[in-house]
Amino acid sequence: DAGITQSPRHKVTETGTPVTLRCHQTENHRYMYWYRQDPGHGLRLIHYSYGVKDTDKGEVSDGYSVSRSKTEDFLLTLESATSSQTSVYFCAISESEGLGSDTQYFGPGTRLTVL
Amino acid sequence: GIQVEQSPPDLILQEGANSTLRCNFSDSVNNLQWFHQNPWGQLINLFYIPSGTKQNGRLSATTVATERYSLLYISSSQTTDSGVYFCAVRGSGNTPLVFGKGTRLSVIA
Repeated sequence: DAGITQSPRHKVTETGTPVTLRCHQTENHRYMYWYRQDPGHGLRLIHYSYGVKDTDKGEVSDGYSVSRSKTEDFLLTLESATSSQTSVYFCAISESEGLGSDTQYFGPGTRLTVL
Repeated sequence: GIQVEQSPPDLILQEGANSTLRCNFSDSVNNLQWFHQNPWGQLINLFYIPSGTKQNGRLSATTVATERYSLLYISSSQTTDSGVYFCAVRGSGNTPLVFGKGTRLSVIA
């Protein structure tokens, strides 16, 4: 199994509060991703990183920011949480974008509830 | 952007039965992956298969890129096969993977 951990695994917070989710990998993979999973929508990409300090937006990036100061850590921040951001958040990693080497491996997920 | 459709959305099988899950995509792809999400939420990569056929135990997958579809075969299904199966594709260029909405499989003893 790929060495990917997410913290916290569960969080309940109130509307308007800031929230930071952490993804940590021990595989030294270059690419890291944050997805959200909601009923009826499958997995949707929020942001991704292709190296330290290199990030880009995904399909549903509004209301989220990310940072990657080290290869192994990718942080997802909700500056002011809203109820629409209640979801399960998954981190994923891949070695590169090359053929065959961009197989994605997922972390265990974080269940976030915004009241 | 590229569209991904999976069918059927739901499938119920008796243990021991075989099944075929389908993934259609709207444009040429350079990356296609199948994932299984178990009932506890864990996502496991099953196949990286932008073209051709691969097999892993009771599971196999075939992608016909020219006709823009992929099939996942599950033979002699077991209750542990239950969960949601996702197909994800990447179109041309340096674009992220796009996931289908999944097929929910329930295998009953």
